[in-house]
Amino acid sequence: QSALIQPASVSGSPGQSITISCTGTSSDVGSYDLVSWYQQHPGKAPKLMIYEVTERPSGVSNRFSGSKSGNTASLTISGLQTEDEADYYCCSYAGRTSLVFGGGTKLTVL
Amino acid sequence: QVQLQESGPGLVKPSETLSLTCTVSGGSIKYFYWTWIRQPPGKGLEWIGYIYYSGNANYNPSLKSRVIMSVDTSKNQFSLQLTSVTAADTAVYYCARGGGGYNYYFDFWGQGSLVTVSS
Repeated sequence: QSALIQPASVSGSPGQSITISCTGTSSDVGSYDLVSWYQQHPGKAPKLMIYEVTERPSGVSNRFSGSKSGNTASLTISGLQTEDEADYYCCSYAGRTSLVFGGGTKLTVL
Repeated sequence: QVQLQESGPGLVKPSETLSLTCTVSGGSIKYFYWTWIRQPPGKGLEWIGYIYYSGNANYNPSLKSRVIMSVDTSKNQFSLQLTSVTAADTAVYYCARGGGGYNYYFDFWGQGSLVTVSS
């Protein structure tokens, strides 16, 4: 299984919206609505932000939203804040009880 | 609040076996999937595998020949063994809980344990 494809970096200004893409194949992202997204600040453990493509855990800001079209899932952050600056990873079920992560995207809030 | 804590040696010699334990507190290990994920320095996350509280496990195909996971419900712990390690296995190793009783997302994570493979 190959890693899901994410842009290495994205940037935005406070208050703006950004979208991070996560491209897989018909064997993973395209076949299952089981994509999750994680936020990781430097030196910290990842934090669950979105699961099952669109679901947001309790306590996660509604500025974070997820979607999927075909083999590509997306994470959108609206009303960017400085504390959103972090690395973001997508993860998808890949069949046969296997999971695969994306390579990660560094978000810079200018 | 569920908390997870990894423990084990921070330094392992090449060709030897890496062993880590994750202790779960604030909740039961039963009825959940428990996962190991690693992150080489400066790189992305890699799923290693998961084990159900009953002992049923599934591993990343790329690591399957070297991974063994186990669970001890009496101690609320689960463990990872990775055999025949090389420098490429140097990473921060995280343990995590499968959210909602499922195995495809992770709602609670340990703080991570850096394991360096070096002679």
